Amino acid sequence: DTAVSQTPKYLVTQMGNDKSIKCEQNLGHDTMYWYKQDSKKFLKIMFSYNNKELIINETVPNRFSPKSPDKAHLNLHINSLELGDSAVYFCASSPGHPVAIQYFGAGTRLSVL
Amino acid sequence: GQQLNQSPQSMFIQEGEDVSMNCTSSSIFNTWLWYKQDPGEGPVLLIALYKAGELTSNGRLTAQFGITRKDSFLNISASIPSDVGIYFCAGLEGKLIFGQGTELSVKP
Repeated sequence: DTAVSQTPKYLVTQMGNDKSIKCEQNLGHDTMYWYKQDSKKFLKIMFSYNNKELIINETVPNRFSPKSPDKAHLNLHINSLELGDSAVYFCASSPGHPVAIQYFGAGTRLSVL
Repeated sequence: GQQLNQSPQSMFIQEGEDVSMNCTSSSIFNTWLWYKQDPGEGPVLLIALYKAGELTSNGRLTAQFGITRKDSFLNISASIPSDVGIYFCAGLEGKLIFGQGTELSVKP
């Protein structure tokens, strides 16, 4: 059983489209995160939710909207995709906040053409 | 914002060699972590350090929390091909802040 699972693994789309990435964790954790890894492999946090409540919202364009229907799921919706949105997006979870040990999903590679 | 400087950026070594990498910060962290990312996968936690001066091992890996709380070191002894990947340091200050990564290549 995968602890933190993301779908899809790969996402190729045209500029201007709207797309969603889904994340689910079966670890019973309270906190979930979205990270962006750019082409230079730099990892940066985008959002964090604790028990469905937004607790971290970094300087991210408002085209990005996280949604947490329950504490096991945190989805990322992106409107009006731009070329610069191409990256690998990672979902992660941890037992609480702030907690060091975060468990990451395998990532979603988004390519905007 | 806070930044972590991780070095070296990349290393090419022979199997069996020891590896050292480090991470420095302009500000203090109370927790340092080391993660490894395999190609096509997410980062996996290797070692967590919670106390200044702490030295912690995980198999062939040893990490230290610098006494100033502004740096951390990771050593890998007797490297093997499966050590290949990107190693990230991270400091925890309300959120995880990652270094730029050290890409390790091991030649059999």
